[in-house]
Amino acid sequence: GQNIDQPTEMTATEGAIVQINCTYQTSGFNGLFWYQQHAGEAPTFLSYNVLDGLEEKGRFSSFLSRSKGYSYLLLKELQMKDSASYLCAVVLSGGYNKLIFGAGTRLAVHP
Amino acid sequence: DADVTQTPRNRITKTGKRIMLECSQTKGHDRMYWYRQDPGLGLRLIYYSFDVKDINKGEISDGYSVSRQAQAKFSLSLESAIPNQTALYFCATSDLGGGRIEQFFGPGTRLTVL
Repeated sequence: GQNIDQPTEMTATEGAIVQINCTYQTSGFNGLFWYQQHAGEAPTFLSYNVLDGLEEKGRFSSFLSRSKGYSYLLLKELQMKDSASYLCAVVLSGGYNKLIFGAGTRLAVHP
Repeated sequence: DADVTQTPRNRITKTGKRIMLECSQTKGHDRMYWYRQDPGLGLRLIYYSFDVKDINKGEISDGYSVSRQAQAKFSLSLESAIPNQTALYFCATSDLGGGRIEQFFGPGTRLTVL
């Protein structure tokens, strides 16, 4: 079966750093996405990792270890607008780009 | 203008009614998807399509059907709506061109079945 685990909720302080973890067990792997989703809105793309290592993009970085079935999203210099849900999604093998999503991590940033 | 649009944005209906949710895209992508999102469960795939001749069931297709009328249009139907189909529904598109495979999501349709 397919299983993706991430914490349900996290809280952090404005200006701080937070790391959101994601572990996965899937039948096939063709990369891992992180999406941001504000309440009631569409998910928006943050990052894509297909090779092991760290990808940095501004305040956001994403890490992947395929051998461990593990990824994390690192958010630096947190801002109030970063309060949102963060979705981890694995791309399954095959030509359809099918995604399996975790349940999402709801991040609350406090002043 | 938005690249992926969904209509309606909100719909309240009664048990047993037939409902159609529509999705259109101007991105020129070949792959289209329908998901539902429930609190605490994340996004789950209902149906997906590679082109107008290709329709595939996702993990939760029971009670739903789809139609790919054109490359740019992908509709989701609930033949006889039931209350546990109350959810937020998203359409998404993706393309293999240029090596970018992320999915682009429409704004969502909030469906309530009474």
